[in-house]
Formats: sequence, C-alpha cells, structure tokens
Amino acid sequence: GQNIDQPTEMTATEGAIVQINCTYQTSGFNGLFWYQQHAGEAPTFLSYNVLDGLEEKGRFSSFLSRSKGYSYLLLKELQMKDSASYLCAVRVLTTDSWGKLQFGAGTQVVVTP
Amino acid sequence: EAQVTQNPRYLITVTGKKLTVTCSQNMNHEYMSWYRQDPGLGLRQIYYSMNVEVTDKGDVPEGYKVSRKEKRNFPLILESPSPNQTSLYFCASAAGSGSPPYFGPGTRLTVT
Repeated sequence: GQNIDQPTEMTATEGAIVQINCTYQTSGFNGLFWYQQHAGEAPTFLSYNVLDGLEEKGRFSSFLSRSKGYSYLLLKELQMKDSASYLCAVRVLTTDSWGKLQFGAGTQVVVTP
Repeated sequence: EAQVTQNPRYLITVTGKKLTVTCSQNMNHEYMSWYRQDPGLGLRQIYYSMNVEVTDKGDVPEGYKVSRKEKRNFPLILESPSPNQTSLYFCASAAGSGSPPYFGPGTRLTVT
C-alpha cells in the first residue's frame, strides 16, 4: 500500500514563507502533484514533479527527492488568500498508461495578518 | 470554457434509493476518475477510467459503480446508498500520461 504523510496544520504571517513537507512510501512512484483546495471548493493544480529538483512557479515552488521519498511545497510572500488546504498526491504506476493517484490528508495553512 | 461539470451539486437522499451523479468534461480527456473526500482522510479514489469502456477500481470501490460509454461522460452510480457514503464527491479528468487531473466542483451527498 501507499503511505503519504503531511502535517495537519501550519500557521504563518502574511508576507512570510511557509514550507509544507510531504513524505511518501510507495512502489511504482511516477510523479508527485501539489494541489490547493479552499474550503468547500474543488482542488486546483499547483505543480507536478517527476524528476528530482526544484520547480518554481511565481510565489510557489515544489521540490522532489525520489531517493528520500520527500517533497515540499514552498509558499513565498504569503497572502491572506493563500489560506487553504494543500494536498500532496502521488502518482503510482499501474498496468494502464496513466496510473493511480493517491492523496495525503492535506495541510491546512492559516495565514494571519 | 474548458471544464469538468458535475450534477447535482447537492443531494440529500434516503438509504437504499438508487442515485446517479453525472460527470462530464469538454476537454477530450481520456482519463477520468471519481474521488470521495472525508474529514481527516483526504481524497480517496473510487474508480477511474482510461478510455471508453475501460474502467478500474480505485482504493474504495465498494458500494459504487461506474460506466464509460462516451469519452466525455463518467457517471457514478450508487445502487443502494448507505449513510457511510455521505461525503463530498469529486470527479476529475486528465489528458495524457503525466497531465494533472482537473477537478469538477464537487457533489455533496447526504444519505439518511
């Protein structure tokens, strides 16, 4: 089976930086997604890492180390609208071409003024 | 506008009354999937489909059925709903291998 762990909640101040860690134990790893989800809304795609290293997209960056089973999402210059749940999702190879997607429980980020 | 739509958005029903939640995407995506989301458990995959007439079980398929007769539609069927199927359901679709799934707006189902 798969095991995906991320912290339940993090609090940070507006303008600060927050790093959300995600660790996973899985067989057939084939990529890791980060999603943002506001309460009661659909998850929205933030980033995808399949190779080791850092991917940067504006204020958001995501890092992957496959050998360590570890990823993080870095949110810079935090804004109040960044208060949301952040979901780590691992793509696992199966016999079909797309595979399966398994999610961690999510990290609730609270941004305070 | 590229989107995934789900209907209904909210549904309250009683135990044992068959229901269908529809999902449709207009992006010609091959991959479609259903998830349920419960507090503290995150999103769990129910079923997924790689293409027309090709479906496979996710992690929590018990009590659910799906069909994929057309590429754009992927309905979720609960033949005999039970209270433990009360949840928030999301449909998602994706293009080729490695493309991120895009999620529909969600269906909040309550079974009494």
